[in-house]
Amino acid sequence: NAGVTQTPKFRILKIGQSMTLQCAQDMNHNYMYWYRQDPGMGLKLIYYSVGAGITDKGEVPNGYNVSRSTTEDFPLRLELAAPSQTSVYFCASSYSGGRGAYGYTFGSGTRLTVV
Amino acid sequence: DAKTTQPNSMESNEEEPVHLPCNHSTISGTDYIHWYRQLPSQGPEYVIHGLTSNVNNRMASLAIAEDRKSSTLILHRATLRDAAVYYCILTGGGSQGNLIFGKGTKLSVKP
Repeated sequence: NAGVTQTPKFRILKIGQSMTLQCAQDMNHNYMYWYRQDPGMGLKLIYYSVGAGITDKGEVPNGYNVSRSTTEDFPLRLELAAPSQTSVYFCASSYSGGRGAYGYTFGSGTRLTVV
Repeated sequence: DAKTTQPNSMESNEEEPVHLPCNHSTISGTDYIHWYRQLPSQGPEYVIHGLTSNVNNRMASLAIAEDRKSSTLILHRATLRDAAVYYCILTGGGSQGNLIFGKGTKLSVKP
């Protein structure tokens, strides 16, 4: 069981470039999330999805877009990268979402630097 | 969303038990108590969760107060690999279904 897989692990972007962070889970979880973590801080929610075809904004969505065409995949798109998007990005999934009856599984993260 | 309060940091000696406290005085009846830990340069890792009763698993134990306004994560024998930031998080009923992370407790383990 691979859990939540994120690619790439590291990336350096130039200002104005775009990229897609990939996230895949093999646990048949309906709920998936994207968080960012700035140095020394807790995680902040960017976008989330409660199932294929359904996505919604979190706390810090500006500069990002998501799609969810399958249960397994939840890519995060950065358009026109800015230095403020330098962060570590974590994808997570869960079976029960906000009801909290089950644990959440996190990926190992993508460390992004925008220069 | 209900909030939690944790000490910023704690220290422990290796092979001794560790009790990590968490206060959540505004917890609602549907909120589960979740604990996650984050080792340096890694993603958060699920530790344990519970609703009303104490819980045990291979990693830790969770002791929940009778009024549910506080809980304690218990690591029975701390190892150097347990040095991490531990997050106590409430879930349940939120429309976003997400975990709201505070700053957690940074646990240091001394050999």
